[in-house]
Amino acid sequence: EDQVTQSPEALRLQEGESSSLNCSYTVSGLRGLFWYRQDPGKGPEFLFTLYSAGEEKEKERLKATLTKKESFLHITAPKPEDSATYLCAVQASGTDKLIFGTGTRLQVFP
Amino acid sequence: GAVVSQHPSWVICKSGTSVKIECRSLDFQATTMFWYRQFPKQSLMLMATSNEGSKATYEQGVEKDKFLINHASLTLSTLTVTSAHPEDSSFYICSASRFDNEQFFGPGTRLTVL
Repeated sequence: EDQVTQSPEALRLQEGESSSLNCSYTVSGLRGLFWYRQDPGKGPEFLFTLYSAGEEKEKERLKATLTKKESFLHITAPKPEDSATYLCAVQASGTDKLIFGTGTRLQVFP
Repeated sequence: GAVVSQHPSWVICKSGTSVKIECRSLDFQATTMFWYRQFPKQSLMLMATSNEGSKATYEQGVEKDKFLINHASLTLSTLTVTSAHPEDSSFYICSASRFDNEQFFGPGTRLTVL
């Protein structure tokens, strides 16, 4: 069964304190791995899609990496406005559907 | 960037009435659209997948007669919650898949059934 597990469930960081969020997955052939940011009461905001092991993508303070079993979302020198829930989703080969993890709730304090 | 809109952003209705939610991709044609439901502090639960001009594919446990999906064009999909009851109250979110496989979400619709 295709599955996505995110850790930690919640993370509190001081402003400027870099860290990483983990997304472990099992899927019958990976078509793509997606990262989204979701603020309370809003729809998820697209961040990255990764397609093959070794691939990396960056956007401002965020960098996503992918291996055959997991993906990391690295946050460098976070700011309070980075506070949100970060969602990881996998897409299996032959399908358009996304399977979501339960998310990591990030709080960054000044 | 790619923009997906939803209307209305929130709706309150009486039990037994039907509610229609629209999802539009504003600046791209969507190959596929998806409907999700999200409960407080939980992740997204896929309800159905829809393609233009064909019947939606519903996930296991989702009542197709209760949640009617119409995908009239490459930029518009609608979800109608029929004979809504309080347990249908939730946050409904749509997403649209672009030609390059990237998927973009709408801002969501908060449904409250009294």
